Amino acid sequence: AQKVTQAQTEISVVEKEDVTLDCVYETRDTTYYLFWYKQPPSGELVFLIRRNSFDEQNEISGRYSWNFQKSTSSFNFTITASQVVDSAVYFCALKAAGNKLTFGGGTRVLVKP
Amino acid sequence: EAGVAQSPRYKIIEKRQSVAFWCNPISGHATLYWYQQILGQGPKLLIQFQNNGVVDDSQLPKDRFSAERLKGVDSTLKIQPAKLEDSAVYLCASSSVRMATRADTQYFGPGTRLTVL
Repeated sequence: AQKVTQAQTEISVVEKEDVTLDCVYETRDTTYYLFWYKQPPSGELVFLIRRNSFDEQNEISGRYSWNFQKSTSSFNFTITASQVVDSAVYFCALKAAGNKLTFGGGTRVLVKP
Repeated sequence: EAGVAQSPRYKIIEKRQSVAFWCNPISGHATLYWYQQILGQGPKLLIQFQNNGVVDDSQLPKDRFSAERLKGVDSTLKIQPAKLEDSAVYLCASSSVRMATRADTQYFGPGTRLTVL
């Protein structure tokens, strides 16, 4: 069975602070893919990143960075110097056997000016 | 490139009524998905199409939900009759690969917010 846990339901920060979103996953498969999506108030899920299980290199894209640690089954997401436009719900997701995308419960990020 | 289109954006109905949602995937995308997202939760897959064939509908409540994808492009999702617990956002997504694999990335539409009174 596949499972994704996002323990933080809501995080509130002041603009320019860094914020890290935790994601822990469970799967018995050795080949799997991990995703992060952003869901702003408009409702659309916006794709941010895809990472396969054989690539443990961290990735940075602008103010976004991702830390994949297979040893702890975690795929954490950090927003550096947060901005009000970063306010959204962020979902971590896993795709393994069965090719079904399994989402975590999401973390709501509120960035205050 | 245009994204996934969905309509309507909002719908309010009374219980036992019927409702239909429409989705137009990204041009050329062979795989189409319908998800249900209840408030405060992550999306849950209802049905997956590969071209106009159903790949996975194991979590679709078939006594009241139905979906079709004629001609392998647009898709409609119908609920008949609706229940209070069907209140949710219904998201459509598409991906470009011919055969869905673990690697394919799904791109989502804006969703339809359904309220059942």
